[in-house]
Amino acid sequence: ELKVEQNPLFLSMQEGKNYTIYCNYSTTSDRLYWYRQDPGKSLESLFVLLSNGAVKQEGRLMASLDTKARLSTLHITAAVHDLSATYFCAVVVTGTASKLTFGTGTRLQVTL
Amino acid sequence: EPEVTQTPSHQVTQMGQEVILRCVPISNHLYFYWYRQILGQKVEFLVSFYNNEISEKSEIFDDQFSVERPDGSNFTLKIRSTKLEDSAMYFCASRNRLRRTDTQYFGPGTRLTVL
Repeated sequence: ELKVEQNPLFLSMQEGKNYTIYCNYSTTSDRLYWYRQDPGKSLESLFVLLSNGAVKQEGRLMASLDTKARLSTLHITAAVHDLSATYFCAVVVTGTASKLTFGTGTRLQVTL
Repeated sequence: EPEVTQTPSHQVTQMGQEVILRCVPISNHLYFYWYRQILGQKVEFLVSFYNNEISEKSEIFDDQFSVERPDGSNFTLKIRSTKLEDSAMYFCASRNRLRRTDTQYFGPGTRLTVL
């Protein structure tokens, strides 16, 4: 059974600081997604990572994928309050019908 | 920009009652999904649907659950006899069939409360 774990589960950081969220998964995957969820809202797609060494950047967020280590990271640079949300990674197992298996989520709180 | 829509936004029901949650996927998408999220927990896969049949389902998706695409636009999730533990946010998602690597786009969700 695929397990997807994120850490930390909760992250409180000051504006302007950098931090990294980690996503580990337990079996072979051919793609990994990062989603953002604001409280009471739906899931917004941030990145899709398709191959080993893939790196994607959008604004203050940068995601990377190491398929050999089964690890993805979401790096936050110079955090701002608007980034406060819960971030989920989601993995698609190779050969499945594209169902997403989500991580536990990381609740990010950026304080002034 | 096209988006997935869901109705109702909030449904309150009594235990044992049937509920139908409705979704309108993005118009040129042909893969459809239901997920649920119990309050404060992670998002869990329920079922995927393609070409008018279920392509995969999870252990959660037991005989009490069914999905249907009754016409060219709607995609529904029915729970026949709701239980307290069915209380959750239910998300519909859709994906373009042309590219396997395409993102799944999620609707705003239906919050189901079972009393």
